[in-house]
Amino acid sequence: GQQVMQIPQYQHVQEGEDFTTYCNSSTTLSNIQWYKQRPGGHPVFLIQLVKSGEVKKQKRLTFQFGEAKKNSSLHITATQTTDVGTYFCAGRVNGGSQGNLIFGKGTKLSVKP
Amino acid sequence: DAGVIQSPRHEVTEMGQEVTLRCKPISGHNSLFWYRQTMMRGLELLIYFNNNVPIDDSGMPEDRFSAKMPNASFSTLKIQPSEPRDSAVYFCASSLRTDTQYFGPGTRLTVL
Repeated sequence: GQQVMQIPQYQHVQEGEDFTTYCNSSTTLSNIQWYKQRPGGHPVFLIQLVKSGEVKKQKRLTFQFGEAKKNSSLHITATQTTDVGTYFCAGRVNGGSQGNLIFGKGTKLSVKP
Repeated sequence: DAGVIQSPRHEVTEMGQEVTLRCKPISGHNSLFWYRQTMMRGLELLIYFNNNVPIDDSGMPEDRFSAKMPNASFSTLKIQPSEPRDSAVYFCASSLRTDTQYFGPGTRLTVL
């Protein structure tokens, strides 16, 4: 079936280091969303990318959508302890059921102060 | 707006018992989603509704699970009979058309 693969599964960094998580789909996506889930919390929407090659920034976070609309990445510059949590990508497949997002398994980020 | 409301927040039950999880979506949203999250399987979509109609229930594990949405402001997910492997956090989310999904705080279910 349709899958969205996300790597790495875990990432441990020292505060101040950069962090990147990657998302790959087996099929072309119409758009991709990123969510963050703090420990013990619920997923919270961060951003949506729609266009091929799109790049969006939110302060220290940079989101990219691949040219083929099959992959995406989230890069955090100079991590802080507040960045701790699990980052999920979620893709909507072309021609897929409206409203149905396919979530990756997430990358769990821990930041050592 | 209060956001998506789920109840109960925690549920501990014994194997074989019926469990009902409740969700109130954000007012005006027309899509509602039920997810299950476990360490092993991550976040899984169980079922989603559009305008109160179930659109895709292919993620529902088996006949023990059922979901209803009798009106635009309420949905239930029922497990009968419950089993220990059903232990997980169950999230409800709502959205407007195909926009951002807003997740509720979740129900942590433990089946002994």
